[in-house]
Amino acid sequence: AQSVAQPEDQVNVAEGNPLTVKCTYSVSGNPYLFWYVQYPNRGLQFLLKYITGDNLVKGSYGFEAEFNKSQTSFHLKKPSALVSDSALYFCAVRDMNTGNQFYFGTGTSLTVIP
Amino acid sequence: GAGVSQSPSNKVTEKGKDVELRCDPISGHTALYWYRQSLGQGLEFLIYFQGNSAPDKSGLPSDRFSAERTGGSVSTLTIQRTQQEDSAVYLCASSPPTGLAGGGYEQYFGPGTRLTVT
Repeated sequence: AQSVAQPEDQVNVAEGNPLTVKCTYSVSGNPYLFWYVQYPNRGLQFLLKYITGDNLVKGSYGFEAEFNKSQTSFHLKKPSALVSDSALYFCAVRDMNTGNQFYFGTGTSLTVIP
Repeated sequence: GAGVSQSPSNKVTEKGKDVELRCDPISGHTALYWYRQSLGQGLEFLIYFQGNSAPDKSGLPSDRFSAERTGGSVSTLTIQRTQQEDSAVYLCASSPPTGLAGGGYEQYFGPGTRLTVT
């Protein structure tokens, strides 16, 4: 069955330190992978995606993510965290072999401590 | 340009009443999705529209839920005989046409409608 796991409900990091938000997925076919961010009282915003090509993808606000096929992971990273990065982050996957659904993780709350 | 808009932003209804939630996607976007987000949960897929194709209704939780998309643009999600477990934030998202190089597929979300069934 298709699924997405975000193993950490909460991640805390000091401002200026690198951050990682983890995501692993399970699909039967080729995955299309996405990260979204949800700021308080606001809708989800697209950050970045992996469709094909280079395993390292760069997105908005200095975020990047690396597709690792052998580990079925797509961790979100940023070299230097900002307080304004504090938000809820969602990983999503679409299995291009099985239909139209996107499967979202349960979200990881990131808090950047000043 | 204008993003995805949803109305109403908040809806409180009594158990057993019907509700209609509206979504205006970004102009030119061919795909439209409805999701439900409950507290502490991820997004639950409900229904997907792509152009003039038949919608993918595989995520609708019961026959009390239905949706339509008129003219390939505005969509309405209808919940009949609402139950307390229907209380959630209902999100709409649209996607641009997909390209040969994998363009598209990313979704642009509206602010959601918070539904409370009392």
